[in-house]
Amino acid sequence: AQKITQTQPGMFVQEKEAVTLDCTYDTSDQSYGLFWYKQPSSGEMIFLIYQGSYDEQNATEGRYSLNFQKARKSANLVISASQLGDSAMYFCAMRDPNQAGTALIFGKGTTLSVSS
Amino acid sequence: GAVVSQHPSRVICKSGTSVKIECRSLDFQATTMFWYRQFPKKSLMLMATSNEGSKATYEQGVEKDKFLINHASLTLSTLTVTSAHPEDSSFYICSATTSWSTDTQYFGPGTRLTVL
Repeated sequence: AQKITQTQPGMFVQEKEAVTLDCTYDTSDQSYGLFWYKQPSSGEMIFLIYQGSYDEQNATEGRYSLNFQKARKSANLVISASQLGDSAMYFCAMRDPNQAGTALIFGKGTTLSVSS
Repeated sequence: GAVVSQHPSRVICKSGTSVKIECRSLDFQATTMFWYRQFPKKSLMLMATSNEGSKATYEQGVEKDKFLINHASLTLSTLTVTSAHPEDSSFYICSATTSWSTDTQYFGPGTRLTVL
């Protein structure tokens, strides 16, 4: 069975600093996709970044980058130059990209607080 | 981009009544829709997977008779919480995938249910 582990319940960072949110996963599948979502207090799930298991390069999207270490089964999210608006809950998730009918499996989430 | 809406965004009801939540894909056909439940500061827990025209597949521990899911068309899935009780109070989020973008799930904005 697939499993996502996020060990940091909360993280604190100052504006303009970089922060890394940890995510490890467990799966016996060779093909899988890893996702990061941001959930502000409004509740909406905002897609941030995606990494496929066969992607050789780490995914990047603006200030977000994914530090993908396949051998360690980790997919940490790095947010550079933090902004106050980055304060939110962040979820790491996984699914099989070849199966449209399978849902995302989420980690427990990390609450990020950015201070000025 | 693909948009998913949910209605209502908030609902307060009395104990014992039923509540229907709608999830619509506005500009695409959703081959599969998922229903998640989220308690405050907690992760999203998959309740059921819904494919158009067929019965929903419920996760273990989710009461089928209590949480009725209907996926009558490729753009609409409904979740009905029957005989709601205070412990059903939660944030309910739907998501949808398409046949042409299997690695992406589009989330609705969520519905906050409060049962008095």
